[in-house]
Amino acid sequence: RKEVEQDPGPFNVPEGATVAFNCTYSNSASQSFFWYRQDCRKEPKLLMSVYSSGNEDGRFTAQLNRASQYISLLIRDSKLSDSATYLCVVNNKARSSASKIIFGSGTRLSIRP
Amino acid sequence: NAGVTQTPKFQVLKTGQSMTLQCAQDMNHNSMYWYRQDPGMGLRLIYYSASEGTTDKGEVPNGYNVSRLNKREFSLRLESAAPSQTSVYFCASSEKARHPTNYGYTFGSGTRLTVV
Repeated sequence: RKEVEQDPGPFNVPEGATVAFNCTYSNSASQSFFWYRQDCRKEPKLLMSVYSSGNEDGRFTAQLNRASQYISLLIRDSKLSDSATYLCVVNNKARSSASKIIFGSGTRLSIRP
Repeated sequence: NAGVTQTPKFQVLKTGQSMTLQCAQDMNHNSMYWYRQDPGMGLRLIYYSASEGTTDKGEVPNGYNVSRLNKREFSLRLESAAPSQTSVYFCASSEKARHPTNYGYTFGSGTRLTVV
C-alpha cells in the first residue's frame, strides 16, 4: 500500500461547480499535511497547509480527518484556471528529516467552460 | 525574480553517458533537494542537503551523486545514465529541512531528461 494515495482522476467538472477530492495516508503518526498545485509541465507550488480544525483560503477549503486518515480539498465556484493536478503532501513522522515528506501522485482536475 | 533556477531544461543522453544537473537558489535557504517525478508516481526524493556542507540519501539515490557546492548551489550528477533514469527532475529549496508550514518548498522549473 502506498503511504499517500490519491485518485488520479481526471475530475472533469463545469465552470462554477464545486468539486472535492480526498487523499488517504497510511501512517497514523503523520503530523502535517499540505496541498500543492502543479500545472501541466510546470513545477509544484504550495497551495495551502491543512490544519487540524480545517481551514479556508478563498474558494479553497482543506480538511483533515485523523480518525479515517485522510485529508480533503474542496474548491467552490471553480474557475477554468483551477485546471491542474493537485498533489497531497504528508509529513511522515516515522522517517527522518527531509525524507519524511511524502508526495502523492496527484489528482488531475479539468474545468470545462 | 527570486527563486530556484535549474539547468538544463531538456536533455537527451545515451545510455552510459554522464551529466550534471545544476540548481541554484537565491532565497538564502538552508536546505535543498533533488526529486524525480515519473508518471503515476509522486515526487520521490533522490538526495537532499539539510544545510551547507551536508548531504543525505533520500528514497531513490542509486545511480546519482550530489554536491552542495555552497549555500546557493546543489548539483545532481548521473555518472552512467540508464533508461530507468528517464524522468523529470526537480530541484527544490526550503528554509529548513523539515517542511515549513507557511512557505513550503520552492521548486525549480524542472529538467526533462530522456536516456536512450
